[in-house]
Amino acid sequence: AQSVTQLDSHVSVSEGTPVLLRCNYSSSYSPSLFWYVQHPNKGLQLLLKYTSAATLVKGINGFEAELKKSETSFHLTKPSAHMSDAAEYFCVVSDRGRNAGNMLTFGGGTRLMVKP
Amino acid sequence: ETGVTQTPRHLVMGMTNKKSLKCEQHLGHNAMYWYKQSAKKPLELMFVYSLEERVENNSVPSRFSPECPNSSHLFLHLHTLQPEDSALYLCASRTRGDQPQHFGDGTRLSIL
Repeated sequence: AQSVTQLDSHVSVSEGTPVLLRCNYSSSYSPSLFWYVQHPNKGLQLLLKYTSAATLVKGINGFEAELKKSETSFHLTKPSAHMSDAAEYFCVVSDRGRNAGNMLTFGGGTRLMVKP
Repeated sequence: ETGVTQTPRHLVMGMTNKKSLKCEQHLGHNAMYWYKQSAKKPLELMFVYSLEERVENNSVPSRFSPECPNSSHLFLHLHTLQPEDSALYLCASRTRGDQPQHFGDGTRLSIL
């Protein structure tokens, strides 16, 4: 069984300040982990993915995430928020090595608000 | 542009209507998914097709009926829906292994 907990349902930052979106996971297998972003009236866009390589993963738009296995965390960060970063963010876990029909487990989402 | 196209983008229908949602991908993926996204609820997986074999989700009402004629196309047939079925319906596709899913922009469904 696997689960994902996004610790904050809403995060508000000022433009130009750092962003931290927290995610904890549990998995019976060695998982793959993803962060997705969803802008209003849009689908989910992949920000970054961890599969089996370096634990610090760089994604698009200046975002990065670090896998800490001892803490079972995969927090998303960005050094400086931009107004266009305002969106809903989802942390997702997938059991690695399973077939293509394997399901993803989504966190409940964190809504990021960026103040001017 | 994710390579996954959903039509229509918006759909308004009465409870007695029959309609279908369409999803298309030409990414060479061999698994496709339907999700339901309701306000203030987590994303719900409805159906998975892997190599054209359906993985059932027993919690989905029978008024939703998926169809996957080939690995590039996925449909969701709707009939006698209820107001609580109003939501954003997202399609996704993925290749094998540990690769991420690619999502379409969804169909916003409103049931009158």
